[in-house]
Amino acid sequence: KAGVTQTPRYLIKTRGQQVTLSCSPISGHRSVSWYQQTPGQGLQFLFEYFSETQRNKGNFPGRFSGRQFSNSRSEMNVSTLELGDSALYLCASSPAGTAAEQYFGPGTRLTVT
Amino acid sequence: GEDVEQSLFLSVREGDSSVINCTYTDSSSTYLYWYKQEPGAGLQLLTYIFSNMDMKQDQRLTVLLNKKDKHLSLRIADTQTGDSAIYFCAPGYQKVTFGTGTKLQVIP
Repeated sequence: KAGVTQTPRYLIKTRGQQVTLSCSPISGHRSVSWYQQTPGQGLQFLFEYFSETQRNKGNFPGRFSGRQFSNSRSEMNVSTLELGDSALYLCASSPAGTAAEQYFGPGTRLTVT
Repeated sequence: GEDVEQSLFLSVREGDSSVINCTYTDSSSTYLYWYKQEPGAGLQLLTYIFSNMDMKQDQRLTVLLNKKDKHLSLRIADTQTGDSAIYFCAPGYQKVTFGTGTKLQVIP
């Protein structure tokens, strides 16, 4: 089975712009979660989608949003980018009805200048 | 919310055993996971233990759970240079909370 794929792998954006990141889960996985990883804050949970519905949400401002399509692929969007949004964004998919046993993609490295 | 604490750094000699510790606050966590992250990569699921177990062994990996003290540990036997990575513990069920991560350095 192919693993979790994320596109693009690297991205450079300017403050104030918006960005969309994409995640394709492992075939058959219906749960997709997104995380932000930074050296200062560590790994922080953004949100989780299951069957096209947001099931859990972390403590991030409304500039961070996501969605999931009927084929379980997911996108996350960050609007009005700030320098502090520079991070590695990780997507994880899960085979079960919970988000616990997760399989991660390689991440998208976002740099905001 | 859940707080998950790990020591930041551990250095061991190749061939020795490594023990990575984790403490958490949410006693309702049903699953307790260990993940490994190598430089420039995403996280890799290593192993997990159910909250009703005390110990689980999986080849070179041994997970110990002390539910009373909310303490989880991961022991890696015969540590190799390829084990150098950051290790995260992640308790939870519907939602998991990742620890701060422990950077394991293996000295040849």
